[in-house]
Amino acid sequence: AQSVSQHNHHVILSEAASLELGCNYSYGGTVNLFWYVQYPGQHLQLLLKYFSGDPLVKGIKGFEAEFIKSKFSFNLRKPSVQWSDTAEYFCAVNPSGDDKIIFGKGTRLHILP
Amino acid sequence: DAGVTQSPTHLIKTRGQQVTLRCSPKSGHDTVSWYQQALGQGPQFIFQYYEEEERQRGNFPDRFSGHQFPNYSSELNVNALLLGDSALYLCASSLGTGYYEQYFGPGTRLTVT
Repeated sequence: AQSVSQHNHHVILSEAASLELGCNYSYGGTVNLFWYVQYPGQHLQLLLKYFSGDPLVKGIKGFEAEFIKSKFSFNLRKPSVQWSDTAEYFCAVNPSGDDKIIFGKGTRLHILP
Repeated sequence: DAGVTQSPTHLIKTRGQQVTLRCSPKSGHDTVSWYQQALGQGPQFIFQYYEEEERQRGNFPDRFSGHQFPNYSSELNVNALLLGDSALYLCASSLGTGYYEQYFGPGTRLTVT
């Protein structure tokens, strides 16, 4: 079955620390990849997406993610986090040609001021 | 530019009852997808509507049904409610079908007692 695994359920960092959130998916074909973010009290927003081309994609607010096809991974990174990055982050996969998006369980990120 | 709107915001129902949730897509969008997000989980795909027809369905029973209207708005109906149906129901809209970027609404919180 197609699935998405996010390795960390809860991450606590201090401001200015570097961030990497892991994401792996299980699907052998072509995929489109997403990271969504949900800030406290707000709805899901797209952080960044990968459809094709350069496997290193840049999103909003200084986030980036790297697609490594051989590892079925799409890890999210940010060199220096801010308190305002406190949120829940969801990795998601859309098998090419499919209509649904498959989400991971999410990683709750808490940044200490 | 209006984003995705959903109503009602919160709903409390009793086991065995029926419920209808509503969604208006983002201006210019013609496709609506519905997701169920249980506590502590990522959103799970229920189904997608395009051109007033259900295009694809996730692993949900027939108690979950939907409809899309000519103005692209959509309804999600759940019959014979179970306690396990308690969740946040998210509507997402997009332009066309397939992998296109989906914009999420704030959700409807359904509690079944």
